[in-house]
Amino acid sequence: LAKTTQPISMDSYEGQEVNITCSHNNIATNDYITWYQQFPSQGPRFIIQGYKTKVTNEVASLFIPADRKSSTLSLPRVSLSDTAVYYCLVGEGSGGSYIPTFGRGTSLIVHP
Amino acid sequence: DSGVTQTPKHLITATGQRVTLRCSPRSGDLSVYWYQQSLDQGLQFLIQYYNGEERAKGNILERFSAQQFPDLHSELNLSSLELGDSALYFCASSSEASGPQETQYFGPGTRLLVL
Repeated sequence: LAKTTQPISMDSYEGQEVNITCSHNNIATNDYITWYQQFPSQGPRFIIQGYKTKVTNEVASLFIPADRKSSTLSLPRVSLSDTAVYYCLVGEGSGGSYIPTFGRGTSLIVHP
Repeated sequence: DSGVTQTPKHLITATGQRVTLRCSPRSGDLSVYWYQQSLDQGLQFLIQYYNGEERAKGNILERFSAQQFPDLHSELNLSSLELGDSALYFCASSSEASGPQETQYFGPGTRLLVL
């Protein structure tokens, strides 16, 4: 079963680019990689999803190397409002059903 | 606003009691997921329903049960409550049955406190 590993916490400053890497050595062929953002006492919110190579949207970029054993979420020019917990999610198939498994997430703190 | 609603927002009860949490998915979504989030366990998947039927089961205790009704809203029932059940309970919905590519839309959560 795919399991993810992320740094527990990261610190950054306003205007900097932040890269959060997630390891998923046992990722399965049909697994997608999805990142969610969660603010305190709120439900997680979808940020970006990818299968391979690079994906970019208006919020972030996701880099996935060819072996897909890791992925990197890139947040350009972070602001204070980007302070949140970021989760890397990789699907786990179990008997045909999908078990969404969130790791402990990475707590990002953006400083002025 | 994700379009997913959960009631109640807060719930305080005593050990041994039973509570019901309610979730209404986004319009058009057929799948509902339930999660528990506590400080020491992180976000744990409990169970998923798709169009009224159980689709996937995670680390859900036997004291907990859920169902999805014909109008697609879902209820999570927690019984014989223990102090350790105190947590945030989130509901999420998606449009399709399952699959790692499905984006989930989370509700605001129900905060349960067991005294």
